[in-house]
Amino acid sequence: NAGVTQTPKFRVLKTGQSMTLLCAQDMNHEYMYWYRQDPGMGLRLIHYSVGEGTTAKGEVPDGYNVSRLKKQNFLLGLESAAPSQTSVYFCATLPGTSVAETQYFGPGTRLLVL
Amino acid sequence: GQNIDQPTEMTATEGAIVQINCTYQTSGFNGLFWYQQHAGEAPTFLSYNVLDGLEEKGRFSSFLSRSKGYSYLLLKELQMKDSASYLCAVMDSNYQLIWGAGTKLIIKP
Repeated sequence: NAGVTQTPKFRVLKTGQSMTLLCAQDMNHEYMYWYRQDPGMGLRLIHYSVGEGTTAKGEVPDGYNVSRLKKQNFLLGLESAAPSQTSVYFCATLPGTSVAETQYFGPGTRLLVL
Repeated sequence: GQNIDQPTEMTATEGAIVQINCTYQTSGFNGLFWYQQHAGEAPTFLSYNVLDGLEEKGRFSSFLSRSKGYSYLLLKELQMKDSASYLCAVMDSNYQLIWGAGTKLIIKP
């Protein structure tokens, strides 16, 4: 039981390059989230999904796209990376609308855009 | 707009007690969470409050007053390993978590 895993752990991109971050979970959780965390700021929600095949925008969706083709995977794409997207990206999951549950976080992906 | 406020940094002494406050204004309320985050790591769950009152879990306790939009996290018998950032988050009516910027707690011997 791996919980929530993120791939890659660290990446350096040049401005304009594209990449996809993968979040995988083996807990059969319905809800999945992508956050970014920047120094001095709280976690900010980029996109989220409440089930397979559904996605929705969060607080800071611009410059990112997501897909949830399989329940266990939530992909975050950067089509044309910008230095402002340098950040630590966390994926998190929730079992469902039982809100007493904690969110389970992946270990994070550190992205540097030059 | 939605807003979570908590102090940026606090300092306390090993063995002492510290209280970290959090005030919030959100669209709806489905509970308040406290997370601990060590540098370079992911947040880990500490507590969840949805009703007014105090929830105690070992050395950590969390309090909620919904009418005041206020919560605190109380840490007793502080240990050096408690040095971390403490994040307050509120789940709004859309089941999204709204996060505070975190309070960096520094423990001194």
